[in-house]
Amino acid sequence: SQKIEQNSEALNIQEGKTATLTCNYTNYSPAYLQWYRQDPGRGPVFLLLIRENEKEKRKERLKVTFDTTLKQSLFHITASQPADSATYLCARFSGGGADGLTFGKGTHLIIQP
Amino acid sequence: NAGVTQTPKFQVLKTGQSMTLQCAQDMNHEYMSWYRQDPGMGLRLIHYSVGAGITDQGEVPNGYNVSRSTTEDFPLRLLSAAPSQTSVYFCASSQRGGYNEQFFGPGTRLTVL
Repeated sequence: SQKIEQNSEALNIQEGKTATLTCNYTNYSPAYLQWYRQDPGRGPVFLLLIRENEKEKRKERLKVTFDTTLKQSLFHITASQPADSATYLCARFSGGGADGLTFGKGTHLIIQP
Repeated sequence: NAGVTQTPKFQVLKTGQSMTLQCAQDMNHEYMSWYRQDPGMGLRLIHYSVGAGITDQGEVPNGYNVSRSTTEDFPLRLLSAAPSQTSVYFCASSQRGGYNEQFFGPGTRLTVL
């Protein structure tokens, strides 16, 4: 089965610094990887989608990379702010006949003032 | 647009009881799905639907039924609740399938005693 691995330990970053979150996947490269933000007690909110042939994608202070050699995606938040504190989820298309997403467990990001 | 709505927000059941979790979307999305989220685990796909009248199983379908009679609604039924079904349930929808950007509802927190 296709797996997504994220560092489940909390990541503490000083305000203003760049936060970098890691997502590793197993088996074949997915055509897409997606990143979501989830706040406590709320549903995930879509942030970015990166395709296999897109090495990098940006949206305002967010940047996602996709390295098929390392089987890894990195998610960067530049000039981080306390409001960026949340859990960030990485997801790939499940495949195998199931039309849905396989999610990682998420990384809890804490931006300290 | 209200987006994806879910009811109820909270529910407590006794083992063996049945109930239906409601999900509706007003974005005219063809694809809808149900996920459950448990502590220490990623979101897991329960069932999904690619259009009215079409449903299929995801990763963890046992103990759940779904139907899709309209584009807007995708209810999830628990036929005989078990403590293992204690979880937070999220409904999601998207324009073009499970690989695409997903819009999630606010979730239903279910406790089975």
